[in-house]
Amino acid sequence: GDSVTQMEGPVTLSEEAFLTINCTYTATGYPSLFWYVQYPGEGLQLLLKATKADDKGSNKGFEATYRKETTSFHLEKGSVQVSDSAVYFCALGADYKLSFGAGTTVTVRA
Amino acid sequence: DVKVTQSSRYLVKRTGEKVFLECVQDMDHENMFWYRQDPGLGLRLIYFSYDVKMKEKGDIPEGYSVSREKKERFSLILESASTNQTSMYLCASSFPFGQGSNQPQHFGDGTRLSIL
Repeated sequence: GDSVTQMEGPVTLSEEAFLTINCTYTATGYPSLFWYVQYPGEGLQLLLKATKADDKGSNKGFEATYRKETTSFHLEKGSVQVSDSAVYFCALGADYKLSFGAGTTVTVRA
Repeated sequence: DVKVTQSSRYLVKRTGEKVFLECVQDMDHENMFWYRQDPGLGLRLIYFSYDVKMKEKGDIPEGYSVSREKKERFSLILESASTNQTSMYLCASSFPFGQGSNQPQHFGDGTRLSIL
């Protein structure tokens, strides 16, 4: 079945550091890929998405490129801020269903 | 902006009780979903609904049921609560499948349920 594997955390960074969170997927067909973010005490918010191979999703300085050849959708940000501290989830959308990774907790220190 | 509202942020119930979790969305979305979130497991789909009075089982439906009597409201029911149902429960909604690519889901803030 469809599944998502993302790098385990927690990840701790200093402000202005480069962030990358690896995400790989297994799927039949042509899924859409998403990154969601969950800030403390809140539900999940859509961060970015890509719907086909080579698409790049971007939002709030975050980027991810849908790589069919490596079945990956890694999340990157060039210079993180304390406000980026959150849990990040990679998700695969096929038919009606979203399949989520386990989540990666990111803490950014001032 | 889409607003998905869950009726309670925190709830404490006892083993064997019947528990209702309520969710309301204001964007006229056809699809609604219930997930549970547990550390290290991500989100797992319990049930979803693609129309009023319609429901489909997700990955972990055992011990749960749902009700969708109105388009904007989707209820999760724990028929007889057990301690292993202590978790964070998240409701989500989206436009219907088939409108182009997969539609993103919009989430509520969650209900943290403790079963004692």
